[in-house]
Amino acid sequence: NAGVTQTPKFRVLKTGQSMTLLCAQDMNHEYMYWYRQDPGMGLRLIHYSVGEGTTAKGEVPDGYNVSRLKKQNFLLGLESAAPSQTSVYFCASIPGGRTEAFFGQGTRLTVV
Amino acid sequence: EDQVTQSPEALRLQEGESSSLNCSYTVSGLRGLFWYRQDPGKGPEFLFTLYSAGEEKEKERLKATLTKKESFLHITAPKPEDSATYLCAVLRSSNTGKLIFGQGTTLQVKP
Repeated sequence: NAGVTQTPKFRVLKTGQSMTLLCAQDMNHEYMYWYRQDPGMGLRLIHYSVGEGTTAKGEVPDGYNVSRLKKQNFLLGLESAAPSQTSVYFCASIPGGRTEAFFGQGTRLTVV
Repeated sequence: EDQVTQSPEALRLQEGESSSLNCSYTVSGLRGLFWYRQDPGKGPEFLFTLYSAGEEKEKERLKATLTKKESFLHITAPKPEDSATYLCAVLRSSNTGKLIFGQGTTLQVKP
């Protein structure tokens, strides 16, 4: 039981390149989230999903796309990376109901 | 619009000096309020869940309380190992599943 696993842990991109961040959970959780964390900004919600095949926009969705084709996986895509997307990205999942979120260890992305 | 605001942004305490962190929230129906601790370079670590006004939870030197508009995280006689960023988050009562965080309070406890 690995919990929430994010891949990759570190990545450097050039401006304009694309990439996909993978979040995988083995706890059969319904809800999954993608956040970005910048210094002094806390965790800002990018996109989230309340079930397989569903996604919704969060507070800062521009420049990102997501997909939840399988219940255990939540993918975050950057089609054309920009320096403003340099950040630490966290994925989280919740079983549903009113329980706490479980977090991955984060992906540190630098766009140069 | 849903909003979560934490104060202060930073707090420096001497070891043994008790204090409180505040989390004010505006949300259309609260399903749950969560407190997390985050150490540098790591993901948030769960501390407490509070569901309704008047509820309190305790763990070692930490105590979380909840009213209809805010939550407090009380730290009694803190130690240097309590130094971390403390995050508050709210989950709406509707079925949107939207989980929103405040910007956090960075606590430094000096020996």
